[in-house]
Amino acid sequence: QVQLQESGPGLVKPSETLSLTCTVSGGSISGYSWSWIRQPPGKGLEWIGYIYYSGSTMSNPSLKSRVTISVDTSNNQFSLKVSSVTAADTAVYYCARISSRGSYYFFDPWGQGTLVTVSS
Amino acid sequence: DIQMTQSPSSLSASVGDRVTIICRSSQSISSYLNWYQHKPGKAPKLLIYGASSLQSGVPSRFSGSGSGTDFTLTISSLQPEDFATYYCQQSYNTPYTFGQGTKLDIK
Repeated sequence: QVQLQESGPGLVKPSETLSLTCTVSGGSISGYSWSWIRQPPGKGLEWIGYIYYSGSTMSNPSLKSRVTISVDTSNNQFSLKVSSVTAADTAVYYCARISSRGSYYFFDPWGQGTLVTVSS
Repeated sequence: DIQMTQSPSSLSASVGDRVTIICRSSQSISSYLNWYQHKPGKAPKLLIYGASSLQSGVPSRFSGSGSGTDFTLTISSLQPEDFATYYCQQSYNTPYTFGQGTKLDIK
């Protein structure tokens, strides 16, 4: 059973870069796309972007210029960097696999999420 | 971006009740609609994909229907473990977008 676990600093200073890693266990990162999703306190879920295991990426235009997603197949991990953070980037960050049945794509499974607070 | 709107935002119900949550998209998304259950501190869980297909391992009391712009998630007989927040999500195109959530709590 595939499991995902987010890791990284829980506190980031404004204007700095937020960095998170998602470690995939119980299965290979190869053959799938992997995504980051976040949820600011009291708000809804926002899709950040995804990376295919081969390295191609797609990001939400709302964040695109500040987001970098990368993959490390040798360690079964993928990572997120968000630059020039502000308080608006405070959120629980989730990683998830993009799975499919036919032409239907969905996020499954997800990690439990990690809270990142942007504050000086 | 495709906007997803859920109603109601919150709902109080009792064990054994039948509950329906509505999700509407700002444009037609065919059947590219997924439903998730989320409990505090836990990983969100996929319930329904393709508007009406039950994910493996999900109890049959959960069902989904709809196509185009109007969708529903129905729980036929609420169980204690079903009290959670439910989200719809469109996978028709990027950026993928979610509804704002429906919090289901105990009456």
